[in-house]
Amino acid sequence: SQQGEEDPQALSIQEGENATMNCSYKTSINNLQWYRQNSGRGLVHLILIRSNEREKHSGRLRVTLDTSKKSSSLLITASRAADTASYFCAAQSSGDKLTFGTGTRLAVRP
Amino acid sequence: DAGVIQSPRHEVTEMGQEVTLRCKPISGHDYLFWYRQTMMRGLELLIYFNNNVPIDDSGMPEDRFSAKMPNASFSTLKIQPSEPRDSAVYFCASSEDRGYQPQHFGDGTRLSIL
Repeated sequence: SQQGEEDPQALSIQEGENATMNCSYKTSINNLQWYRQNSGRGLVHLILIRSNEREKHSGRLRVTLDTSKKSSSLLITASRAADTASYFCAAQSSGDKLTFGTGTRLAVRP
Repeated sequence: DAGVIQSPRHEVTEMGQEVTLRCKPISGHDYLFWYRQTMMRGLELLIYFNNNVPIDDSGMPEDRFSAKMPNASFSTLKIQPSEPRDSAVYFCASSEDRGYQPQHFGDGTRLSIL
């Protein structure tokens, strides 16, 4: 079963705008990860936030984590056409497995 | 550095045939994961290995599916006999030691069973 549910399912924005994607999960976690998937390719790891962290930055990416609400958000600032992809959150609970969300399809219009 | 390598990239075969998917993980990675991705069910973990030993195969859909990892640099996922509902993209991923480590994915095998 899916641990994470992403919202929205699809997002279309203009180049230069910010894109925000949200993820909700069901059980307590050790960490939450975000991945990007370009069409026809495998998933690429973007950023990992641990359960004791609230916010993390990497370049144009900003991730927040609210363990009380079991939710996370991914913000991409100053979006580019090359950011067009599907974005997935993945929750690591006990053990070594990741459980992936349903994904958000992001389209950035030039 | 070479990433995770999967072969073939595409496979089209008829129902009832045996299908073998192959994966070479990143050198030095202790964990190997097999996933299946479909529109309906999203990304599902099928099985994962640690140091070549299968740890959790609870995601393997049925006995028609089997996976092996004979050594640290090679794994196979086999479907015998194949059925049209097995059509999906199959991904292999590897990661370093347990804990807060990201997974590195191959580009997948797109499998179509006619």
